[in-house]
Amino acid sequence: EVQLVESGGVLVQPGGSLRLSCEASGFNFGDYGMHWVRQAPGKGLEWVSGVSWKSGTINNADSVKGRFTISRDNARNSLFLQMNSLRPEDTAIYFCAKEAGGSGYTDWALEYWGQGTLVTVSS
Amino acid sequence: QSALTQPASVSGSPGQSITISCTGTSSNVGRYNFVSWYQQLPGKGPKLLIYEDNKRHSGLSHRFSGSKSGNTASLTISGLQIEDEADYYCCSYAGGITFVFGGGTKLTVL
Repeated sequence: EVQLVESGGVLVQPGGSLRLSCEASGFNFGDYGMHWVRQAPGKGLEWVSGVSWKSGTINNADSVKGRFTISRDNARNSLFLQMNSLRPEDTAIYFCAKEAGGSGYTDWALEYWGQGTLVTVSS
Repeated sequence: QSALTQPASVSGSPGQSITISCTGTSSNVGRYNFVSWYQQLPGKGPKLLIYEDNKRHSGLSHRFSGSKSGNTASLTISGLQIEDEADYYCCSYAGGITFVFGGGTKLTVL
């Protein structure tokens, strides 16, 4: 059974930093691209950041470029999101998600999602 | 990276069919055959329904179907059931390992 468990969400002051983690199990983590998607309270989904299976390709939404960094550790089956210069508008539930597809290819969809971790940016 | 456009809400009665539209641009929906649809129940992470415009995720009921024409994709749910009441999001691959989501549609089953 695929499981994605996010952690690290807390209350942080504007301008602060935070590192989110996502621990994966139930699949060969190193074979799949992974992503972070967020959802502000009462709002829709917003794609934040993605990393390919061997970290060769990384990209971020314009709203977080230069402030957030995605990374992964395939040996530890873990995905990370380093969040710097946090703003109140970054307040959201952050989900990690696994790409659909198979070993070495992607169907460009987000097949499995975690339950999310809440990040609150407020003074 | 502008969001895709979905209706804010749709409704239907049990047994009826509904369609949710999703309009993008020639840079996302119209360029790639990678529109996906997700269902989100309150307090839960989203669940993949449809990928590559019209392929059902493993185990998904045939009541759910996806289609696309030009820059607009659609999700149709036939034989509506009470448990289909949820938020639905479309999403398109947009190149360079990026995605763009729609604003979401709240489905009410009356």
